[in-house]
Amino acid sequence: DGGITQSPKYLFRKEGQNVTLSCEQNLNHDAMYWYRQDPGQGLRLIYYSQIVNDFQKGDIAEGYSVSREKKESFPLTVTSAQKNPTAFYLCASSITSGRDHNEQFFGPGTRLTVL
Amino acid sequence: GQNIDQPTEMTATEGAIVQINCTYQTSGFNGLFWYQQHAGEAPTFLSYNVLDGLEEKGRFSSFLSRSKGYSYLLLKELQMKDSASYLCAVTGGGNKLTFGTGTQLKVEL
Repeated sequence: DGGITQSPKYLFRKEGQNVTLSCEQNLNHDAMYWYRQDPGQGLRLIYYSQIVNDFQKGDIAEGYSVSREKKESFPLTVTSAQKNPTAFYLCASSITSGRDHNEQFFGPGTRLTVL
Repeated sequence: GQNIDQPTEMTATEGAIVQINCTYQTSGFNGLFWYQQHAGEAPTFLSYNVLDGLEEKGRFSSFLSRSKGYSYLLLKELQMKDSASYLCAVTGGGNKLTFGTGTQLKVEL
């Protein structure tokens, strides 16, 4: 079955440590996205990538970094520079052309807690 | 910039009809999505509107008025499993989405 996987479901880290969240998709989608979700604030875009080896900052990129070395993978690193990293992180992917709308498909999310 | 407003919470009765509104003010507009999200889970796609009017899909319908910057999601014959957060999202070009804060719907007996 095609889909998007994120692991782990729950992640705990000590303050000051970098942590990398994985996101893998086998939908053959060109575009991938990282969102952060906090209570009462909806989804906010961190980074997105429309093609391998290219990515752009979203609305809240500070304290985060990404890479897109393979079409299937878009890992997100939460660095120690991120002031309030505890949140629910969602990865998504979509096609980029050929349809009248390109809905985004979401992974199950990773809940990161920084102690 | 993008500004999207939705009510924070709504409560409705099983079997009833509920309308969830979304208003938006955006610098560019291509279309509007509705997603459903159960607590702790991934959002799932419900509908997409690009032209004015009503799109019906089973128990769910979505309406768009581009001139008014307004959309609504209509849920009929409510079931307990419809208790979830409903997210309105606007695309202004490319593949980026801007999400509203979501409306938490509670369906009661």
